[in-house]
Amino acid sequence: GNSVTQMEGPVTLSEEAFLTINCTYTATGYPSLFWYVQYPGEGLQLLLKATKADDKGSNKGFEATYRKETTSFHLEKGSVQVSDSAVYFCALSASGGSNYKLTFGKGTLLTVNP
Amino acid sequence: GAVVSQHPSRVICKSGTSVKIECRSLDFQATTMFWYRQFPKQSLMLMATSNEGSKATYEQGVEKDKFLINHASLTLSTLTVTSAHPEDSSFYICSARAQGGSYYGYTFGSGTRLTVV
Repeated sequence: GNSVTQMEGPVTLSEEAFLTINCTYTATGYPSLFWYVQYPGEGLQLLLKATKADDKGSNKGFEATYRKETTSFHLEKGSVQVSDSAVYFCALSASGGSNYKLTFGKGTLLTVNP
Repeated sequence: GAVVSQHPSRVICKSGTSVKIECRSLDFQATTMFWYRQFPKQSLMLMATSNEGSKATYEQGVEKDKFLINHASLTLSTLTVTSAHPEDSSFYICSARAQGGSYYGYTFGSGTRLTVV
């Protein structure tokens, strides 16, 4: 079946530090890949996505590249801010199959200190 | 962009009562709705998937009679927690999938914090 493995947290960084959250996946076919962000007490917001190999998703300074050869979709940001503190989820949606269910990683809590 | 409105955001109910959570897609047709449950500091657990006008498909281990899902229209899905007990206390999140285009987008509601006392 499909699965997503992402870096265990929590991750604590100082403001302006470089961020990497690793994510690897297992899926049949050609999945779409996503990063979602969840702020405390809220639902999930789509941060970025990539739908095919070598695509780079980017948003708000965050980037992730769909690497089929390494089955990875690592999230990066060059300079984090306090406001980036949240839980980040890597997810995939398998092509084909029924209903295109999202499969989530376990989430990584990021805390950015001033 | 696509918006899903989820209500209520918080609810406290007595043990044994039922609670209904609503999710509405405000500016698109949600052909599929997903209902998740999230435990503290954990990932989202998919409970069920519902398509408009048909019965929901529940994930293994989820009690159909306890978590009633209705998706009567393309803009509204409801989750009813029947005979709630303290162990049902959790954060429930819906997600709507819009059909069309090269990207099948998922939009999440803001979640409902259920506390059963």
